[in-house]
Amino acid sequence: QQQVKQSPQSLIVQKGGISIINCAYENTAFDYFPWYQQFPGKGPALLIAIRPDVSEKKEGRFTISFNKSAKQFSLHIMDSQPGDSATYFCAAESEGNTPLVFGKGTRLSVIA
Amino acid sequence: NAGVTQTPKFRILKIGQSMTLQCTQDMNHNYMYWYRQDPGMGLKLIYYSVGAGITDKGEVPNGYNVSRSTTEDFPLRLELAAPSQTSVYFCASSYSGQPQHFGDGTRLSIL
Repeated sequence: QQQVKQSPQSLIVQKGGISIINCAYENTAFDYFPWYQQFPGKGPALLIAIRPDVSEKKEGRFTISFNKSAKQFSLHIMDSQPGDSATYFCAAESEGNTPLVFGKGTRLSVIA
Repeated sequence: NAGVTQTPKFRILKIGQSMTLQCTQDMNHNYMYWYRQDPGMGLKLIYYSVGAGITDKGEVPNGYNVSRSTTEDFPLRLELAAPSQTSVYFCASSYSGQPQHFGDGTRLSIL
């Protein structure tokens, strides 16, 4: 059973455009939703995270939008740059520090 | 400031061989994790530990063993390597309720 469904699997965006990656979850006990960024040959690194008490969190060009009733959250990358080309993973975790559940990842390519 | 260090970075094993993937962290994190990453499949949790002497199974523990004798180290053992265990293995650590910090992975091929 896949607890966090991520789409699309791959995404190509023009430089300066908006990249949007979506995730949906099933477990209503999840209360922490991070996004990780992974470059080739490296481990994932935390990019931005949100808790369900807010509907949006913005850090620079990166924004998480959260819809609790729809059990969905998304990552928006504004003014996408070639340096943003990486694989992005959404994840979810429930209270009590149970291990993170990861989506399958989205490979983003930003082309000039 | 090393963070999470994994060794080796690459390894080729023959079917049936055994090996230990090493992971050490210098952040005094109580939680440590082992994941495997296969193309298009995301990260799957193998084992995790909430502190020295305590380990628990994740989603895909079969064929692996772990131990946690110190806060810093969390080795992953493959006893009888199988082709299905060809993967990239990531170790991570965290404080309770805090983001996980990942190492750069061990790329393992079993032939």
